[in-house]
Amino acid sequence: AAGVIQSPRHLIKEKRETATLKCYPIPRHDTVYWYQQGPGQDPQFLISFYEKMQSDKGSIPDRFSAQQFSDYHSELNMSSLELGDSALYFCASSPIKLAGGPNEQFFGPGTRLTVL
Amino acid sequence: QQQVKQSPQSLIVQKGGISIINCAYENTAFDYFPWYQQFPGKGPALLIAIRPDVSEKKEGRFTISFNKSAKQFSLHIMDSQPGDSATYFCAAAIINTGTASKLTFGTGTRLQVTL
Repeated sequence: AAGVIQSPRHLIKEKRETATLKCYPIPRHDTVYWYQQGPGQDPQFLISFYEKMQSDKGSIPDRFSAQQFSDYHSELNMSSLELGDSALYFCASSPIKLAGGPNEQFFGPGTRLTVL
Repeated sequence: QQQVKQSPQSLIVQKGGISIINCAYENTAFDYFPWYQQFPGKGPALLIAIRPDVSEKKEGRFTISFNKSAKQFSLHIMDSQPGDSATYFCAAAIINTGTASKLTFGTGTRLQVTL
């Protein structure tokens, strides 16, 4: 079965540089979520998109922005990178939801960002 | 402020034993409670989930017990196997019809199943 695709899988950047992470959801999934997971930490919600519109925003720095495109893929843009941005970044997708239905989120393999 | 509290932080269980991980939540608006399994360097994988209208759900060796009045839920892994060694996260969400519903995770439990 098709899974969530994230690219790149690994990324090394210098401080103050810019990074772009990409996420391709499972086919027929219209909702995308971004999470950040620091070493030994639980995933923290950053931002979500439903039908190409921003749905909710969590603890996402103003230096970060994201969007969902017409083909439902999403990109997380990170500028002025800091050492503390080093983490695993996960994208998850959910299928089109029936009224009152569950919120099954399927996670991608993640992008490991290292800021030097 | 951790909205979903998870314990224990780590757990060692012998092969064939029962692994029990507990979670407690504060927000009574939460109405969806999934458990995720994560191996090192991999994304979390959905194991099993429950809604608050049932007190127990079983799928294979995995069982969720849910206590709405106590605002607690737990994961039981029966006949634990070395391949179950991973980090387990409980999570909670508010189901929003027609929009995205973010997951709030617990702090995770590192399970080690020994031979």
